[in-house]
Amino acid sequence: KQEVTQIPAALSVPEGENLVLNCSFTDSAIYNLQWFRQDPGKGLTSLLLIQSSQREQTSGRLNASLDKSSGRSTLYIAASQPGDSATYLCAVNPSNYQLIWGAGTKLIIKP
Amino acid sequence: SAVISQKPSRDICQRGTSLTIQCQVDSQVTMMFWYRQQPGQSLTLIATANQGSEATYESGFVIDKFPISRPNLTFSTLTVSNMSPEDSSIYLCSVEDPGYGYTFGSGTRLTVV
Repeated sequence: KQEVTQIPAALSVPEGENLVLNCSFTDSAIYNLQWFRQDPGKGLTSLLLIQSSQREQTSGRLNASLDKSSGRSTLYIAASQPGDSATYLCAVNPSNYQLIWGAGTKLIIKP
Repeated sequence: SAVISQKPSRDICQRGTSLTIQCQVDSQVTMMFWYRQQPGQSLTLIATANQGSEATYESGFVIDKFPISRPNLTFSTLTVSNMSPEDSSIYLCSVEDPGYGYTFGSGTRLTVV
């Protein structure tokens, strides 16, 4: 059974720092992996989608990597800003439409 | 990528009443998904809605409590029936967007008092 774990559960860093959020999964047979951000009480905004054949994807200050063999994905945020404060969720798609979710990392960027 | 309009964004409801949440997609999609996110928790899939057929419910969710309509390929509603405080959650709809993964609506924050 696929399980997704996100570490750390919470992270607080000063503005300007580069940071890494981690997502691990137990079954390497995935179709793709997607990173989302969620602001309090709101819906989810898709950040990056990595297909199983890809190693990384980049969008602006965000870079997501995927290592299927080790069951890991990382989300790298460069030059963090207070507006990056949110909960970040990773979701694994095992190809049957039933996304498997991590519990999220709550990120606070201090001005 | 697809854009989903979800309404209402939030509501405060009396116990025993029902609330209907609407999602409108700006393109035709085969399947729409409805999720619940309880306070401090991650997302749980309630059901998958296909146009022209009954929704498929996940374990722990029943049609009498969460009836779903899917009248066409761009629209769906989820009703939360006979609400209790335990139904206080964020409810989200989602579609699979080829090439973009999954896209979500802006969420409905429901408080039952």
